[in-house]
Amino acid sequence: SAVISQKPSRDICQRGTSLTIQCQVDSQVTMMFWYRQQPGQSLTLIATANQGSEATYESGFVIDKFPISRPNLTFSTLTVSNMSPEDSSIYLCSVVLAGESGTQYFGPGTRLLVL
Amino acid sequence: AQSVTQLDSHVSVSEGTPVLLRCNYSSSYSPSLFWYVQHPNKGLQLLLKYTSAATLVKGINGFEAEFKKSETSFHLTKPSAHMSDAAEYFCVVSSEGYQKVTFGTGTKLQVIP
Repeated sequence: SAVISQKPSRDICQRGTSLTIQCQVDSQVTMMFWYRQQPGQSLTLIATANQGSEATYESGFVIDKFPISRPNLTFSTLTVSNMSPEDSSIYLCSVVLAGESGTQYFGPGTRLLVL
Repeated sequence: AQSVTQLDSHVSVSEGTPVLLRCNYSSSYSPSLFWYVQHPNKGLQLLLKYTSAATLVKGINGFEAEFKKSETSFHLTKPSAHMSDAAEYFCVVSSEGYQKVTFGTGTKLQVIP
């Protein structure tokens, strides 16, 4: 496996502001993803983070609201823009490690509360 | 298209008794199937995975799951529940070249002392 870290681990933000979440992996990865887990819910895929190009967003998620960067193979950021209380969720990154096609490993998550 | 159904949103067992968490899937392709566990205020940890090898898959912490194609099921079991097993469990299906995964809605396992 690998060590996947996320920063911050939690935050409380005011509506209308933006928060950038970082995901760092200590191993070579082939794919990186960002998920949202709303309170009491399962995980929903936001987007696939593509290295050096625009992320691939799932239906219902747009780049203006959730801009994503992946400047290299092992690092990605997700920004939650112009936040509202409905954005209060856990945001998780996941990775597929090189040589382990098909298995996703998850970071510890970022717990976001928007007031 | 693929989907996964976890048949119970909550399961309650006594410590030391068997655990059964049920999962059914549908997939247009040969699926890969996973179980993840999420302890309170923690991230997701991979318990076990099926990727077209042995149909009985053993995972961490004494859990195992059996892939039954005829029943499109991948139920998670453990012979004897421990207090530390109390958590939420997610069944996940992956196909279409592993590009997308679909999560079940989760089953919360309560272990009663």
